[in-house]
Amino acid sequence: AQSVSQHNHHVILSEAASLELGCNYSYGGTVNLFWYVQYPGQHLQLLLKYFSGDPLVKGIKGFEAEFIKSKFSFNLRKPSVQWSDTAEYFCAVNGGGYQKVTFGTGTKLQVIP
Amino acid sequence: ETGVTQSPTHLIKTRGQQVTLRCSSQSGHNTVSWYQQALGQGPQFIFQYYREEENGRGNFPPRFSGLQFPNYSSELNVNALELDDSALYLCASSPGGYRYTGELFFGEGSRLTVL
Repeated sequence: AQSVSQHNHHVILSEAASLELGCNYSYGGTVNLFWYVQYPGQHLQLLLKYFSGDPLVKGIKGFEAEFIKSKFSFNLRKPSVQWSDTAEYFCAVNGGGYQKVTFGTGTKLQVIP
Repeated sequence: ETGVTQSPTHLIKTRGQQVTLRCSSQSGHNTVSWYQQALGQGPQFIFQYYREEENGRGNFPPRFSGLQFPNYSSELNVNALELDDSALYLCASSPGGYRYTGELFFGEGSRLTVL
């Protein structure tokens, strides 16, 4: 069975601060990894994804994530957050080509101007 | 390119009633997945439909059922509603078969309140 753990439930940052959101997954085989974002009043949308290759992946709006296989982690980073990054962020894993995508419980990010 | 659309956006039902939620997939996508997102939780996988057949199911009871139509749109039916069924129901489409990667394209969701 696959599972995802997000360590931070609520993060508050000032604009221009750096962001790192933790994500650890549990699955014994090959995985596809995702970060989704849900801005206030909007639907869930893909921020970035990792299938294979370079473990450092870049997404939209300056976000990036690093896949560390030995740590089963896929942490999300952004060097300098903006007020418009206020949203809820979900890490997700799809293992072994199965239909199910497992999501973490989400991290609410609040950026203070 | 038309995105995923869901209806209705909000609805209120009472315990014991039945509800049908509808979803139109993004053009070019033949796979539809349904997720339940309770307050403060991440989306939980209900089931997936591919080529009009159920193609995987999460830990939800049989009173949660679905359909997929030849145009790849889908319905989620929930019978004998319980208070705990109150949640945001998300539909997501994706390319299916060998092209399925787990990348999901979500609709806005249908918020169900059970009183």
